[in-house]
Amino acid sequence: SQQGEEDPQALSIQEGENATMNCSYKTSINNLQWYRQNSGRGLVHLILIRSNEREKHSGRLRVTLDTSKKSSSLLITASRAADTASYFCATATVNRDDKIIFGKGTRLHILP
Amino acid sequence: GAGVSQSPRYKVAKRGQDVALRCDPISGHVSLFWYQQALGQGPEFLTYFQNEAQLDKSGLPSDRFFAERPEGSVSTLKIQRTQQEDSAVYLCASSSGPPTDTQYFGPGTRLTVL
Repeated sequence: SQQGEEDPQALSIQEGENATMNCSYKTSINNLQWYRQNSGRGLVHLILIRSNEREKHSGRLRVTLDTSKKSSSLLITASRAADTASYFCATATVNRDDKIIFGKGTRLHILP
Repeated sequence: GAGVSQSPRYKVAKRGQDVALRCDPISGHVSLFWYQQALGQGPEFLTYFQNEAQLDKSGLPSDRFFAERPEGSVSTLKIQRTQQEDSAVYLCASSSGPPTDTQYFGPGTRLTVL
């Protein structure tokens, strides 16, 4: 079962532009995480945002969380070719402290 | 090594064969997870270990799947009598804290069952 759902499923933008992808979830969470996966590789953790936080930054990444709408967004500013990857949100739901649940991901392609 | 390693990276098996996939977590990480990732999908949880104890195996798709972590470090995921639907990438991850904290992933093992 998958709790989070990313939108869009796929996104192509020009290098230098900003990329925004969204994650919606169904059940109350303790935290939400974003991961990146390059083709044929494992996942790399990007940012963890807790349910009592609204926004976090890490370099060119900005994550927001709106618990009233049960949604999060990941913004990548000034995109680079190396940002081409799949991006997944993962949620840690309340009362389930033994796992995180991944969405299906957004496939981001940065055009040169 | 500094990261999570998995072996083999690629495995081709004939239907009905048994396979064993190995995961070496980051040294000292208490939590270890196995995921199955189908093409174009997100990772699906299989099982979770805290040290040597398997605390959650609710994601294992059938009794043909078995995981162990006998000494609380290296883990092995075994699939008996492989079927074509078992073809996927199997990811291992480890964490120094609880399961809901940051997880560090290995490169995965791509299993193809013919």
